[in-house]
This record gives sequence, C-alpha cells and structure tokens, in this order.
Amino acid sequence: NAGVMQNPRHLVRRRGQEARLRCSPMKGHSHVYWYRQLPEEGLKFMVYLQKENIIDESGMPKERFSAEFPKEGPSILRIQQVVRGDSAAYFCASSPRTVNEAFFGQGTRLTVV
Amino acid sequence: AQSVTQLDSHVSVSEGTPVLLRCNYSSSYSPSLFWYVQHPNKGLQLLLKYTSAATLVKGINGFEAEFKKSETSFHLTKPSAHMSDAAEYFCVVSGGTGNQFYFGTGTSLTVIP
Repeated sequence: NAGVMQNPRHLVRRRGQEARLRCSPMKGHSHVYWYRQLPEEGLKFMVYLQKENIIDESGMPKERFSAEFPKEGPSILRIQQVVRGDSAAYFCASSPRTVNEAFFGQGTRLTVV
Repeated sequence: AQSVTQLDSHVSVSEGTPVLLRCNYSSSYSPSLFWYVQHPNKGLQLLLKYTSAATLVKGINGFEAEFKKSETSFHLTKPSAHMSDAAEYFCVVSGGTGNQFYFGTGTSLTVIP
C-alpha cells in the first residue's frame, strides 16, 4: 500500500503563473487535508476535503487559492497568479473514513521567483 | 475549540541523555493526540498517537508519551538521545466535529555529540 503521494516534489513558478499541486491519498482513504508550512514555522491548516466535497476551507486564503478532490483522480491544490509570499512547503495528508490518524505526503516545495 | 502549545521552540541535549519535549493541549472533546517528526526537507512521520486507550503510549525509535488529562499535557520523552533524533517535532491534536488536525508550532531538537 503506497503512502500519500504528492507531486511534484519541487515546483518553481514565476510571479503571476499558476501552480498546481497534486495529492494522491492512500488507498481506501476518503479524507484529504492540505497544510502549508512557511520557513521556520509549523504547519497551518488550509482545507479539508472528502470526495467531491469541501468540508472546511477556513484556512484557505480567500483569493487565488482553490482545492478540489474529484471522484476520480488526485486532490488538486491550485494557486493562481502566484506571488513570492506563496513560497512554502505544501503538505497533503489523508485519513480513512474513521478519522484517528493522518498520513502525510513528502510535500511539494513551491518556490516563486 | 482545540489547540496545542509546544512550550519550547528549541531543545538541545547531549547524545545519550534524556529527551523531554513538552506539549499542552486544549480541547472541548476527548482528544486524539499525536507526535510527528520532520527531518530537514522531509515529510512528516508519525512517532506515536493517543486515542483514549492506554495513557502511556510507546512509539517508534524509543520515543514515548504520557497523556495526563489533569495537566492537559502530552509530553514526548526518550531515555537516551541519538544523533539521528535531531529534527523538528510537532505535537498535534484532533477530534470533535471539525475533523481537523491542529499542529503546534514545533520544537527543534538538537543533539550534541
């Protein structure tokens, strides 16, 4: 059973471009969480999704950021018109239906130049 | 509301001496508590978890933590530090209706040879 897979591991974008971060949860997991980690800081919750539904997006910036978890395929975190301040490590986690543990991916490190 | 406070942002110990990383939590529900470790430029690995079973929880790599409800604490300990233990450690709480995982700000552990 493969773990949570995130790709790409590293992503460089110029200011104004779009960034798409992908997360494939562990097999059988229907809950996905996205977190952002700024340098020297802890992980900040962004969004919690179940298949085809956004359950809690209280940590998502109101503009430029969106997330989806379609019926088929990976969860996508999309950042439009990236700015330097978006540079961070973005972690995805998944958990099974009965939530008592989150399994994290290796993260995507986004650098905006 | 749920939150986690990691009382020390940096801890430094000598190799072979005990490790104590402190964590206090706040939760309106019966919480699940976790410790994760993050090595430089790596993802997060689960060390151990408490989910209302035994209050003394044993994890990987010789780590353990004790859930103390009266003190709302979940401190992480290890009898003897190893150089490979140098990393960032996160205390995490989950539970309740929000279904989120709330991270502390992290404790950076340095092991001195």
